[in-house]
Amino acid sequence: GENVEQHPSTLSVQEGDSAVIKCTYSDSASNYFPWYKQELGKRPQLIIDIRSNVGEKKDQRIAVTLNKTAKHFSLHITETQPEDSAVYFCAASRFWGDQGGKLIFGQGTELSVKP
Amino acid sequence: NAGVTQTPKFRVLKTGQSMTLLCAQDMNHEYMYWYRQDPGMGLRLIHYSVGEGTTAKGEVPDGYNVSRLKKQNFLLGLESAAPSQTSVYFCAIQVRGQPQHFGDGTRLSIL
Repeated sequence: GENVEQHPSTLSVQEGDSAVIKCTYSDSASNYFPWYKQELGKRPQLIIDIRSNVGEKKDQRIAVTLNKTAKHFSLHITETQPEDSAVYFCAASRFWGDQGGKLIFGQGTELSVKP
Repeated sequence: NAGVTQTPKFRVLKTGQSMTLLCAQDMNHEYMYWYRQDPGMGLRLIHYSVGEGTTAKGEVPDGYNVSRLKKQNFLLGLESAAPSQTSVYFCAIQVRGQPQHFGDGTRLSIL
């Protein structure tokens, strides 16, 4: 079945360093890849997304890259701050298909930014 | 809360009891989803709906039923609760072509 693998499961960085989280998906028909941030006890919140017709997208300190051939996509956070500490989830979807936009999530990465 | 309200926020059940979780939206979105979140496993899709009166199975549908009689409401039912259904349940809504937005979740414990 469809699957998304996410690595690492935990990541600890010093404030100001960069953090990279990687995901691999199995469904070659996936065409939409969102990233969600979830703080403890809160709901997942979308931080950035990318569609399969684009290789890279940036939003201030956050960027996502996509390699369709290898079925890999990654989240890059630069100049990390303590408030970036949270669990991050990647997901993949056939965004425009008749299945709606159902998301297959990775297992999550717990990011800890140490002051 | 992105226009999504989940009730209740917390609930404790005994094994074998039944209950219904409600997801209500005020945004007139077509698509609605129910996910469960367990430690170390991310979010997994239980059931979803692409419009009023329609539902479909997701990754982990067993033990759950859903209904969407009105466009604004998506109900998730547990007919006979089991300890394995202890989880945090999230509802999400979506307009076609836009990202999914999640409710605040329902924390369910089954003893």
